[in-house]
Amino acid sequence: SQKIEQNSEALNIQEGKTATLTCNYTNYSPAYLQWYRQDPGRGPVFLLLIRENEKEKRKERLKVTFDTTLKQSLFHITASQPADSATYLCALRSESSASKIIFGSGTRLSIRP
Amino acid sequence: DTAVSQTPKYLVTQMGNDKSIKCEQNLGHDTMYWYKQDSKKFLKIMFSYNNKELIINETVPNRFSPKSPDKAHLNLHINSLELGDSAVYFCASSQAVGAYNEQFFGPGTRLTVL
Repeated sequence: SQKIEQNSEALNIQEGKTATLTCNYTNYSPAYLQWYRQDPGRGPVFLLLIRENEKEKRKERLKVTFDTTLKQSLFHITASQPADSATYLCALRSESSASKIIFGSGTRLSIRP
Repeated sequence: DTAVSQTPKYLVTQMGNDKSIKCEQNLGHDTMYWYKQDSKKFLKIMFSYNNKELIINETVPNRFSPKSPDKAHLNLHINSLELGDSAVYFCASSQAVGAYNEQFFGPGTRLTVL
């Protein structure tokens, strides 16, 4: 069955360092991979989308890579700040417009000052 | 100027009751969704509507019935509530049904069944 795993339930790093979150998937061929941020008590907020034919996408301090051979996406936050502390979800979707989006369970990132 | 709104934010009810959650989006989007997020934080799609038509209907008990009176609204009615229905329910919308569209989520409705 289709499976998405995010590397760890929680990640704790020092302010200013680069946070790297991992999303691995099996039994799936996504056309698109999205990353969302979720704060406690709130709905997820879209951050970035990367297509299967793109290797890398950047937005300000965020960078996403997508390796369809390894079936893996890496999400990086450079120069991390305490305000970056949140849960980050990866989500996969195939090309079909009728396809559902599948979310990972998220990684809770804590940035300590 | 809330983009996707849901009511109520909290819902506490007894087993066996029937309840509804309302969702409205003012983004002019064509596609709307209902998700369930359980205690382990897995966000799982339940239904998707495009232009008021059901396009995704996951394996959800038929006690759950979505209704879309117009493109801007997607309500969720739940009959005969069970303990296992306790979760946070999120409504979301996207501009269109294509897989590249980002989704905009509402603030969630925390349902507690006693």
